[in-house]
Amino acid sequence: DAKTTQPNSMESNEEEPVHLPCNHSTISGTDYIHWYRQLPSQGPEYVIHGLTSNVNNRMASLAIAEDRKSSTLILHRATLRDAAVYYCILRDARTGANNLFFGTGTRLTVIP
Amino acid sequence: GAVVSQHPSWVICKSGTSVKIECRSLDFQATTMFWYRQFPKQSLMLMATSNEGSKATYEQGVEKDKFLINHASLTLSTLTVTSAHPEDSSFYICSAQLRATYNEQFFGPGTRLTVL
Repeated sequence: DAKTTQPNSMESNEEEPVHLPCNHSTISGTDYIHWYRQLPSQGPEYVIHGLTSNVNNRMASLAIAEDRKSSTLILHRATLRDAAVYYCILRDARTGANNLFFGTGTRLTVIP
Repeated sequence: GAVVSQHPSWVICKSGTSVKIECRSLDFQATTMFWYRQFPKQSLMLMATSNEGSKATYEQGVEKDKFLINHASLTLSTLTVTSAHPEDSSFYICSAQLRATYNEQFFGPGTRLTVL
């Protein structure tokens, strides 16, 4: 599986936008970029995913670089409930491998 | 959205006993369920992949005789930790995948196991 690199931690003030970066320089053409987050003492939850184009949903936006070697998860207005560990994960659509490889992720702290 | 439940949410047991953890998809049928383990301050590690009606596929280093997985129906998978020891104390999380899509996994809330 192609590897992703994320900062260990980030901080944001409440109600401000947050940009969480992810580098995946060895991404293949069939790798989808997935983001999950894990709130304290809970199971992970799906946030968003994309292939080439930027994506928006009710939780966040995903901006994918033109060369696909990096992406950014954007939380438009951070709330205290957004404090979590955010995982950027690549999934290869070709192999049908459905298991997720969780790296270390980025721990987001939201400051009131 | 799809909901996955786990039972129990936490359990404390004595060393040498066996513990069964249930994972249910409440409002959808899951062809595949996954079991993860997470130690404190660490990331999730996949233990095994479970397909309904067939034997589970275990990741390297995970003892299949110690971590018994049964996936008898499209809505239920169970993980039994046999002869549990303190080093098995961990947060066990299951996830399930919808039959028709491979894009999103739905995770349970996790089960915290403490072995004394």
